[in-house]
Amino acid sequence: SQQGEEDPQALSIQEGENATMNCSYKTSINNLQWYRQNSGRGLVHLILIRSNEREKHSGRLRVTLDTSKKSSSLLITASRAADTASYFCATDTNAGKSTFGDGTTLTVKP
Amino acid sequence: DAGITQSPRHKVTETGTPVTLRCHQTENHRYMYWYRQDPGHGLRLIHYSYGVKDTDKGEVSDGYSVSRSKTEDFLLTLESATSSQTSVYFCAIKGSGADEAFFGQGTRLTVV
Repeated sequence: SQQGEEDPQALSIQEGENATMNCSYKTSINNLQWYRQNSGRGLVHLILIRSNEREKHSGRLRVTLDTSKKSSSLLITASRAADTASYFCATDTNAGKSTFGDGTTLTVKP
Repeated sequence: DAGITQSPRHKVTETGTPVTLRCHQTENHRYMYWYRQDPGHGLRLIHYSYGVKDTDKGEVSDGYSVSRSKTEDFLLTLESATSSQTSVYFCAIKGSGADEAFFGQGTRLTVV
């Protein structure tokens, strides 16, 4: 079964609004990463947060990690139509092995 | 895209035929991965490699085999393709000590 599970499965917002998506996982991790996938393309790495970190920022992205709850959230502020994509969390447990969740499909309406 | 190429990009094959997908990298990265992605789902790990001739199974390895005879190439073989293996296949690479994986553009495989 998938290590990570995203919530919600789909999210539709207006341009300028913030988008929040969540990821829950089952086992202890070394780090957690968020990736983005545009339709028909490969995944692109967005941001990584290590197991000893609680929050991380990168531009309009903010990631939090709560290891006690085995959950993470990705916040995209001031969303743009170009942010429309699917977003996946991935957890690294064993050396070199990444496991992905089913993703959140974000639609940002102009 | 970070020096990773998948071939072919599209393939239609018949049930029962063998199929080999190729992932080629120019980054000299240690780790290579094969994932499959089905509609509405994330990526599921098929097999991965942590060095030349060093491979291990992922969560959906049944019906698939891999080989890595040199650093730059990771081959995924479907010995006898089935319709359930119709999917989009992604290759990824990652360097030693690095956390970020780089993905290929994907191979769309249809088994009829």
